[in-house]
Amino acid sequence: GDQVEQSPSALSLHEGTGSALRCNFTTTMRAVQWFRKNSRGSLINLFYLASGTKENGRLKSAFDSKERYSTLHIRDAQLEDSGTYFCAASHQGGRALIFGTGTTVSVSP
Amino acid sequence: GGIITQTPKFLIGQEGQKLTLKCQQNFNHDTMYWYRQDSGKGLRLIYYSITENDLQKGDLSEGYDASREKKSSFSLTVTSAQKNEMAVFLCASSMGERLFFGHGTKLSVL
Repeated sequence: GDQVEQSPSALSLHEGTGSALRCNFTTTMRAVQWFRKNSRGSLINLFYLASGTKENGRLKSAFDSKERYSTLHIRDAQLEDSGTYFCAASHQGGRALIFGTGTTVSVSP
Repeated sequence: GGIITQTPKFLIGQEGQKLTLKCQQNFNHDTMYWYRQDSGKGLRLIYYSITENDLQKGDLSEGYDASREKKSSFSLTVTSAQKNEMAVFLCASSMGERLFFGHGTKLSVL
């Protein structure tokens, strides 16, 4: 089965509100990365976490290897936050990333 | 900062055709990757390379060849394009674990 389960698949937000995306892992992962696909199709690396939490502006991510999940919180959503967000995780001892199926975030006025 | 350049941006091929996608990076990263993205699915790893002339198979390597001619470039060949195939191929590079992606090559097969 899929090793990285990402939810929700789609998320609609009004400007100024917030929500969270989540990735559950079926096995222990060494680290997680979060990406956003922008309007030009580029995947922008938002976070790399081996543990704990990181914050960057209005985005905050957490990774708990033992509990096998990671979250990405968006607060005070802005129109430019719209896009598809992917989590990706790497196994213990592995090099390749395993991607989630993505969350399409739509922020409306 | 560096950049990853993928060429071409769009590729239209015929069924059975051999097609080559190219990727260049000027980050001086050791490891390069080729991923395939299909609609509604996460990215799946085709090949990766940890150094010049190295090649490692990913989950989706069947039907593809790859070549790491030099540290800065990594090419992917679709050995025989499948009819109605449509996907985006993403090249990435990393030093350590953090990945940086190119803009992608969108493939359509007629």
